[in-house]
Amino acid sequence: QVQLQESGPGLVKPSETLSLTCTVSGDSINSYYWSWIRQPPGRGLEWIGYMSYSGSTNYNSSLKSRVSMSTDTARNHFSLRLTSVTAADTAVYYCAKIAARSFDVWGRGTLVIVSS
Amino acid sequence: QSALTQPASVSGSPGQSITISCTGSSSDVGGSNLVSWYQHHPDKAPQLMIYDGNKRPSGVSNRFSGSNSGNTASLTISGLQAEDEADYYCCSYSGSGAPNWVFGGGTKLTVL
Repeated sequence: QVQLQESGPGLVKPSETLSLTCTVSGDSINSYYWSWIRQPPGRGLEWIGYMSYSGSTNYNSSLKSRVSMSTDTARNHFSLRLTSVTAADTAVYYCAKIAARSFDVWGRGTLVIVSS
Repeated sequence: QSALTQPASVSGSPGQSITISCTGSSSDVGGSNLVSWYQHHPDKAPQLMIYDGNKRPSGVSNRFSGSNSGNTASLTISGLQAEDEADYYCCSYSGSGAPNWVFGGGTKLTVL
């Protein structure tokens, strides 16, 4: 059974870069497709981006200029980078596994606060 | 990508049935039957309840069902139980061009 765990700094300063890692256990990262999703406080879910096991990516058009995703096969994890963050990027960030065009396994989420 | 439209809240009594709607456009919900639904309890990971419009993952109760008509998808929960109280999100997949997804704004279900 695949399990996901997000990790990274809980506090990021405005204009800096948010970096998170999602560690995959229970299977190889090369077996599936992956996504990042976030939820700002008091608001709904927002899809951030997707990555295939071959490295293809696509990002939410509203974030495309600031976001990137990558994989580390040796460590069986994938990562999210979001540059030039503002308070609007404060959110709980989830990583998720994609199956049948849906998100069938989720991490527990990690809260990232953007503040000086 | 505009968020899909869901009612902010719905409620029902134990044993009753409720339906949550999810309205999009011909470029997302209406363009395919690839809507998924997620149950989200506070401080927990969201859980997939319905995928491809009307399919249930293994382990999800058959009290949960999905349907689609035109640009509107729906989630029906029958035989409401207290543990069903949660936020519910719809999500539409679009494979035209590179894969992308758009979520609804979420619906708070209250079991009275």
